[in-house]
Amino acid sequence: GDSVTQMEGPVTLSEEAFLTINCTYTATGYPSLFWYVQYPGEGLQLLLKATKADDKGSNKGFEATYRKETTSFHLEKGSVQVSDSAVYFCALFRAGSYQLTFGKGTKLSVIP
Amino acid sequence: NAGVTQTPKFQVLKTGQSMTLQCAQDMNHNSMYWYRQDPGMGLRLIYYSASEGTTDKGEVPNGYNVSRLNKREFSLRLESAAPSQTSVYFCASSETGYGNQPQHFGDGTRLSIL
Repeated sequence: GDSVTQMEGPVTLSEEAFLTINCTYTATGYPSLFWYVQYPGEGLQLLLKATKADDKGSNKGFEATYRKETTSFHLEKGSVQVSDSAVYFCALFRAGSYQLTFGKGTKLSVIP
Repeated sequence: NAGVTQTPKFQVLKTGQSMTLQCAQDMNHNSMYWYRQDPGMGLRLIYYSASEGTTDKGEVPNGYNVSRLNKREFSLRLESAAPSQTSVYFCASSETGYGNQPQHFGDGTRLSIL
């Protein structure tokens, strides 16, 4: 079945550090890939998405590239801020399945 | 814009009690979903409704029932609550069930079963 594997956290970074959160997936066909973010006490919000191989999703300084050859969708940001502290979820959606498959989430804490 | 609204936000139940979690969306979306979030498990789909009048089981449907009351509302019912159902429950909606359309989430219901 479909699955998403994220790097385990928590991840603690200093402000302005470079961020990478690894995500790899297993799925048949060509799924759409997403990163969602969850701030404390809130629901998930879509951060970015990519729907086909080599697409790059970007939003709020975050980027991720859909790599079919390595089945990966790693999240990156060049300079994190305290306000980026949250839990980040990688997810995939396979056409016809009606289901988002989530990774377990990676908690990011950014310290001043 | 309210988006997806869930009620209640918090609830404590005793084992064996029943309860209905309510969800409403104001985005005219066709598809709606119920997830549960447990520590270290990510989100798991309980039930979904691809369109008004249809419902289907997700990954973890046991112990739950759902009703798609109309296009806006999708409720989740626990008939006889068990401690294993202690979790945070999220409702979500999307324009359709097709893969490139994002799901929009409510703020969650934090449910404790004693």
